Amino acid sequence: QKEVEQNSGPLSVPEGAIASLNCTYSDRGSQSFFWYRQYSGKSPELIMSIYSNGDKEDGRFTAQLNKASQYVSLLIRDSQPSDSATYLCAVRGIGSYKLIFGSGTRLLVRP
Amino acid sequence: SQTIHQWPATLVQPVGSPLSLECTVEGTSNPNLYWYRQAAGRGLQLLFYSVGIGQISSEVPQNLSASRPQDRQFILSSKKLLLSDSGFYLCAWSGTGSGANVLTFGAGSRLTVL
Repeated sequence: QKEVEQNSGPLSVPEGAIASLNCTYSDRGSQSFFWYRQYSGKSPELIMSIYSNGDKEDGRFTAQLNKASQYVSLLIRDSQPSDSATYLCAVRGIGSYKLIFGSGTRLLVRP
Repeated sequence: SQTIHQWPATLVQPVGSPLSLECTVEGTSNPNLYWYRQAAGRGLQLLFYSVGIGQISSEVPQNLSASRPQDRQFILSSKKLLLSDSGFYLCAWSGTGSGANVLTFGAGSRLTVL
């Protein structure tokens, strides 16, 4: 079983819609969760971090964490063509220096 | 502010040749340093991480090695490249303590082994 799993996509949504990206993880001891965005040919950049159950909002982005279900998601409201990228979910365990990444979900926002 | 530099940006190397990728961080001291590799269309694979000078942890057995000769310098090396070493190599840093959570990446080095 992979440690961090994501649907590879592509997830295609029309401009202005809500994009919902999902991630599951296997280590119940994980305590830190991150979403990175990666444009083609570029390095990943941090979008959101979340550490406790519930929702965390930052502009058009909302991260949701459910530790009981070992599930973390990212919602992008009012999706724009510039949001088209691969979104990587990353998880860190308790006391660990290592950040484990999923394989990413490719998002396409249609104009 | 902190910045991370990584070079070279692109390289094409023949099978069996050596490799050296370098990464430096500015504006911070005693960072945690990481090397990841991303194969085409794949996720990020952690190769090495370091929490201090001379302290290297290896995650994947392979023909690569890493060194940290100075506090803010991290080097990825190979004595003989394989075709399977092709990929996008990313150096990253994080702070320590409460700052250890956030990973910031360099621009990456794209390696093609022929």
